[in-house]
Amino acid sequence: DAGVIQSPRHEVTEMGQEVTLRCKPISGHDYLFWYRQTMMRGLELLIYFNNNVPIDDSGMPEDRFSAKMPNASFSTLKIQPSEPRDSAVYFCASSLGGTEYFGPGTRLTVT
Amino acid sequence: GNSVTQMEGPVTLSEEAFLTINCTYTATGYPSLFWYVQYPGEGLQLLLKATKADDKGSNKGFEATYRKETTSFHLEKGSVQVSDSAVYFCALTPPGSGTSYGKLTFGQGTILTVHP
Repeated sequence: DAGVIQSPRHEVTEMGQEVTLRCKPISGHDYLFWYRQTMMRGLELLIYFNNNVPIDDSGMPEDRFSAKMPNASFSTLKIQPSEPRDSAVYFCASSLGGTEYFGPGTRLTVT
Repeated sequence: GNSVTQMEGPVTLSEEAFLTINCTYTATGYPSLFWYVQYPGEGLQLLLKATKADDKGSNKGFEATYRKETTSFHLEKGSVQVSDSAVYFCALTPPGSGTSYGKLTFGQGTILTVHP
């Protein structure tokens, strides 16, 4: 299995621009998660889906952040407009049977 | 609520030294316990897990035993290698998660550096 796939691996953008991060979960997994990792805050769960339905988005920092999962094999995390404090590594993870498998992450830098 | 506390790092060892990274947790009942490892520039990888008291998880020479009496899940390795240099995260999911999802609660991570 290819594992969780994320794109892009690196993104540099200017403040105010829209950013879209993409994730392909492991085939057959029924849960998908978006995390953010920073030195200051560590790992933060932003949102998770079960069978493509958002279950808990309480970790989404503000309305500038949105996530979708249009089908079982694809999810996006969008930031609009982006701000320098959004700079972080964003991880997608998927699970089946209670164990999460993480993607390689997208390193986002907002200047 | 649930919480995980890891020993503060960073931890610096010489190759072939013995490793212990302490992890204690707070949760009601019997959570599932995990160790994840993050190598530089990569995502987290599941290293090992244990789902009930007295279970021992093991992988790649690492071991951790689920101790209900001390609410601990310490990570150990008898002889570390330079390639073990990474950040190690202890985590738990609530009791009863079983085959469904339980929200992972992570510790703050411990940086391990192994010198030749």
